[in-house]
Amino acid sequence: GEDVEQSLFLSVREGDSSVINCTYTDSSSTYLYWYKQEPGAGLQLLTYIFSNMDMKQDQRLTVLLNKKDKHLSLRIADTQTGDSAIYFCAEKDRNTGKLIFGQGTTLQVKP
Amino acid sequence: GAGVSQSPSNKVTEKGKDVELRCDPISGHTALYWYRQSLGQGLEFLIYFQGNSAPDKSGLPSDRFSAERTGGSVSTLTIQRTQQEDSAVYLCASSLMDSTDTQYFGPGTRLTVL
Repeated sequence: GEDVEQSLFLSVREGDSSVINCTYTDSSSTYLYWYKQEPGAGLQLLTYIFSNMDMKQDQRLTVLLNKKDKHLSLRIADTQTGDSAIYFCAEKDRNTGKLIFGQGTTLQVKP
Repeated sequence: GAGVSQSPSNKVTEKGKDVELRCDPISGHTALYWYRQSLGQGLEFLIYFQGNSAPDKSGLPSDRFSAERTGGSVSTLTIQRTQQEDSAVYLCASSLMDSTDTQYFGPGTRLTVL
């Protein structure tokens, strides 16, 4: 079945770039998503990428997609303390539309 | 515009009691999803409503869980005879079912079963 994997923890210094990685299994996924969850809050959509794209940039966020390797990454430039949160990648089940989430990567930004 | 809203934000109940969780989707969104987020299981899909079609209930963990969506808008998730393992954050999302089908999430309801 479909599965999405992420590393669980990443620690960076303020001002550095953060790269959060994700692998997925469903090669027919049309869209892949990145969500951010701050403590005690719901999921905030950060960005998404269509499967026929290799890269998408949105201000400090860059998403890279390697469809051959089923690898997705989220790069946050000039990471700030306010970026500390859990980041989830998700693929959309093409039959049902439900999202299949990774376990989430906790990003810790040290001042 | 208004986002997805959920109520209550927190619910504490005793084992064996029934609970109802409410979700108000974004106006005009035809699809509505319920997910559960718990420490051991991560984010799990529960149920999906799309327009007037029969809901996809494939993620409901037991027959104690049910959900309905009235008038194609508000949805209620009901858990009967709650158990301690039902303790989790219950998240609702809605989408427009356009080309991107992006799901927008509410703040969640934190359920604690004592």
